[in-house]
Amino acid sequence: DTGVSQNPRHKITKRGQNVTFRCDPISEHNRLYWYRQTLGQGPEFLTYFQNEAQLEKSRLLSDRFSAERPKGSFSTLEIQRTEQGDSAMYLCASSFSPSEAFFGQGTRLTVV
Amino acid sequence: QKEVEQNSGPLSVPEGAIASLNCTYSDRGSQSFFWYRQYSGKSPELIMSIYSNGDKEDGRFTAQLNKASQYVSLLIRDSQPSDSATYLCAVNDGSNYKLTFGKGTLLTVNP
Repeated sequence: DTGVSQNPRHKITKRGQNVTFRCDPISEHNRLYWYRQTLGQGPEFLTYFQNEAQLEKSRLLSDRFSAERPKGSFSTLEIQRTEQGDSAMYLCASSFSPSEAFFGQGTRLTVV
Repeated sequence: QKEVEQNSGPLSVPEGAIASLNCTYSDRGSQSFFWYRQYSGKSPELIMSIYSNGDKEDGRFTAQLNKASQYVSLLIRDSQPSDSATYLCAVNDGSNYKLTFGKGTLLTVNP
């Protein structure tokens, strides 16, 4: 499968716990994006990387969120001290600039 | 704040009809425009991209762009029940390629 891959597909966690998601982009794509989507809304931009550099982070993103893309390959998104409001679908997308972005299957997070 | 507006629907059309989905955007600097299809519980799937004024056709799909009116649309000809999904309009300004999405329009194609 040469598409964008995200793991895990589903995550249920207790409030206050830390969670980490992984994204493996399409191999030749140098840009990687994280979005968050809640029910009835379009995806909302969180952050993006060009190769290993994190070039932009949404002002809506609290300090509890951090993302990395070591060596410009896969990326991880960590949420510390999860809150119920963090429950959402977390989507990763990649593109070869300038080009269309392709999304992975998403990680659905439920905070209980 | 850059905004992308779509009618939330639901838009209901009979099988075989033309479905017309509309989108307006606020940033005149926007350069690239995309339509994504999203089935319930799934991730968005890119179906069309358009970069210049006019029409772009791909199979049963036609995207139309009018930058002067800040308007982009998607026509689906010969609609099929399998086209039933939420259609997301997305726009970027070309500076960093991040996308701003509308809330999506739910399309239902009735057999």
